[in-house]
Amino acid sequence: DTGVSQDPRHKITKRGQNVTFRCDPISEHNRLYWYRQTLGQGPEFLTYFQNEAQLEKSRLLSDRFSAERPKGSFSTLEIQRTEQGDSAMYLCASSLGTSGEETQYFGPGTRLLVL
Amino acid sequence: AQKITQTQPGMFVQEKEAVTLDCTYDTSDPSYGLFWYKQPSSGEMIFLIYQGSYDQQNATEGRYSLNFQKARKSANLVISASQLGDSAMYFCALSRGKLIFGQGTELSVKP
Repeated sequence: DTGVSQDPRHKITKRGQNVTFRCDPISEHNRLYWYRQTLGQGPEFLTYFQNEAQLEKSRLLSDRFSAERPKGSFSTLEIQRTEQGDSAMYLCASSLGTSGEETQYFGPGTRLLVL
Repeated sequence: AQKITQTQPGMFVQEKEAVTLDCTYDTSDPSYGLFWYKQPSSGEMIFLIYQGSYDQQNATEGRYSLNFQKARKSANLVISASQLGDSAMYFCALSRGKLIFGQGTELSVKP
């Protein structure tokens, strides 16, 4: 069984461009989470899905950000009209269960640099 | 509000010695989970250990143990017999579905 995978691992883009990241969770995991981590900080929650339903979105997730998990398996995170402040590591995690205290397993992350 | 505080930005430890990384938390939820993750320079978050708020005993996983003091709202990570490969960032996190992370502690293991 493979772990959580993310694609791409690195992305360099120019300000104003749109970018899309993909996350493939551990097979059978029903919950999928997105976090953002800037340099020197701990990860911050962005949003999470239980199966295909998006159950919570952080206030950090501006209108330029959108996330989907159409079939309850992989998820995509899109950032429209990127800004330099969007430069960060975007981490995806998955877990199995509904109590909210299950262990979350993380992918390798996507490092985004906006020039 | 839920919050995690890690007051040690950086720690040094001699190889083969034990080290304690501090974590205090704040929550009004009666049921919660506490996690520790390791983040090497590669960036991936690696799960180390979990403690449930109702667990009577402190969690242990190999060389990792969690010193859970509920009344003090602390959940310190103890790493025994440090190895060079333990050098990394360590994050404490509080679970409310989503994880709420602290600022992290950078651990450096000296040979």
